[in-house]
Amino acid sequence: AQSVTQLGSHVSVSEGALVLLRCNYSSSVPPYLFWYVQYPNQGLQLLLKYTSAATLVKGINGFEAEFKKSETSFHLTKPSAHMSDAAEYFCAVRDSGAGSYQLTFGKGTKLSVIP
Amino acid sequence: DGGITQSPKYLFRKEGQNVTLSCEQNLNHDAMYWYRQDPGQGLRLIYYSQIVNDFQKGDIAEGYSVSREKKESFPLTVTSAQKNPTAFYLCASSMGPSGGNEQFFGPGTRLTVL
Repeated sequence: AQSVTQLGSHVSVSEGALVLLRCNYSSSVPPYLFWYVQYPNQGLQLLLKYTSAATLVKGINGFEAEFKKSETSFHLTKPSAHMSDAAEYFCAVRDSGAGSYQLTFGKGTKLSVIP
Repeated sequence: DGGITQSPKYLFRKEGQNVTLSCEQNLNHDAMYWYRQDPGQGLRLIYYSQIVNDFQKGDIAEGYSVSREKKESFPLTVTSAQKNPTAFYLCASSMGPSGGNEQFFGPGTRLTVL
């Protein structure tokens, strides 16, 4: 079964500092990978996705992520944190096999931005 | 505006009662999903449906039931058999069957058992 590990349930950064949220997956074949953001009491919004095109994926709100097959990682970064980035972030993976509808989610990382 | 609507936003239930959570989408998506979210647990899949009149159990289906009579609608019933139903419930949909298609999420329903 697929699994996703997000290192750090809580991450705090200063406004203007680099944001780095870590995601490692377990998969025997190259998967599809997603990062979602969730604001309090709301649904999830897609930030970006990797679908085997470019390994460096750019998303919305200045976020990007790099797929590293050798490290089975898909870490999310943003060069300069903004107060509005404070939210919970989820990494998710789906097998690239046919008929694989299910997403497996990590447990989430809550990002705090300190003014 | 295309999207997913869930109702109600907040729901209170007495122990022993069944309740039904509504999920409607106008994105013309084939696949729909129900997730349960608990603090620190991420999202866990309850049920999913790839096509009308067909659905499959997810990882935590016990105590829940669904139907998919229309493409746009995928209601979830939380039955009295669900031991700990207090949680945030999220509905999602996606185009199928390509695995690269992302899931779009509704705003969620927060269920509290009194």
